[in-house]
Amino acid sequence: DTAVSQTPKYLVTQMGNDKSIKCEQNLGHDTMYWYKQDSKKFLKIMFSYNNKELIINETVPNRFSPKSPDKAHLNLHINSLELGDSAVYFCASSQSFLGVTLQETQYFGPGTRLLVL
Amino acid sequence: KNEVEQSPQNLTAQEGEFITINCSYSVGISALHWLQQHPGGGIVSLFMLSSGKKKHGRLIATINIQEKHSSLHITASHPRDSAVYICAVQGGNTDKLIFGTGTRLQVFP
Repeated sequence: DTAVSQTPKYLVTQMGNDKSIKCEQNLGHDTMYWYKQDSKKFLKIMFSYNNKELIINETVPNRFSPKSPDKAHLNLHINSLELGDSAVYFCASSQSFLGVTLQETQYFGPGTRLLVL
Repeated sequence: KNEVEQSPQNLTAQEGEFITINCSYSVGISALHWLQQHPGGGIVSLFMLSSGKKKHGRLIATINIQEKHSSLHITASHPRDSAVYICAVQGGNTDKLIFGTGTRLQVFP
């Protein structure tokens, strides 16, 4: 039973398109995250939601818009895709927000590999 | 300069060897994580440390808060240990995760 799942696993699209990546966790966690991993394998946090509220919003172009319909889901919508958006996007969840409680392990999804042509 | 530095960047080993991966950081932290990323891309959280040492199977993680340094050790390495190992610290004003660039480990039979 997958704890954190993402769809799709692979996404190939043209520049200028709008696409969404979905994430769901069945762990009963309160907090979910989106990370971007670039070609050098460097992971960078993009957003964090706690109980459907935006907690962390890093310096990310406003073409990226996260949406959390409930605390088990955090979807990432990307408008007007650019070549530089090509990366692997990871979703993660933790029991509670890292900044509020101490040392919560994050559970990661398998990643979505996005290629913009 | 990154706030979290790992060494080495790449590491090859023969099956059975003892492996050490190092992580140094320059910010105040509340916790440090070791993550494992397999060739398929999935990430697994291995350890979360705030002090001392933790052991899970053949994996051992240590942290020295005063020296701002952590090590991940793998005993009796196996080809299935081949992966990228990433150190991440929680710290700064927002307690967010700050990631190192990873260490690519290849273990040959």
